[in-house]
Amino acid sequence: YVLTQPPSVSVAPGKTARITCGGNNIGSKSVHWNQQKPGQAPVVVIYYNSDRPSGIPERFSGSNSGNTATLTISRVEAGDGADYYCQVWDSNNDLVVFGGGTKLTVL
Amino acid sequence: QVQLVQSGAEVKKPGASVKVSCEASGFTFTAYYMHWVRQAPGQGLEWLGWINPYSGGTDSAQNLQGRVSMTRDTSISTAFMELSSLRSDDTAVYYCARGREEGAFDIWGQGTMVTVSS
Repeated sequence: YVLTQPPSVSVAPGKTARITCGGNNIGSKSVHWNQQKPGQAPVVVIYYNSDRPSGIPERFSGSNSGNTATLTISRVEAGDGADYYCQVWDSNNDLVVFGGGTKLTVL
Repeated sequence: QVQLVQSGAEVKKPGASVKVSCEASGFTFTAYYMHWVRQAPGQGLEWLGWINPYSGGTDSAQNLQGRVSMTRDTSISTAFMELSSLRSDDTAVYYCARGREEGAFDIWGQGTMVTVSS
């Protein structure tokens, strides 16, 4: 199962960033999103398509339908600049699959 | 406080083995699967496998089967990942992560750098 993310997304501070994750009928799966800043371990920002772990700002939201899942970051701040990875469970092969990652640049 | 603390950086020669530990605290170790993920320098995340700390059952990525072994010691709430026959392309940061349903992770360890070099 293959997850496809754009390599990079750029956004101005205060605007909205949308990072997509494409996969065959991904809407039938639960999609999870991880944020990774340089030199740091990943941090989960969204799991089960749209649930936010405690401590994650409400500016982070997620949606999933059809062949595309989307991570939306509203009112983007400089500190949101990071790599973002989507993740699903491939039940046909019993394994975790990651997207290739998207580098979010805050202009 | 719920956390996963991993062992320190390792430097190994090609052909050797490395064993990375992941100590859990703040939660019931046997109640959650533990996954292992690695990240080569400048690359994305690659899933390696999981262990069920309660039963000891494991599963791993097909491309690593035969070289990776995941174990646990419930008496010290610690999971281990051992990779054998190391090659230069095994150079990466290795992470453990606590698993939830449907392939979700909710906590990551801080990572362990493994360098394979002659």
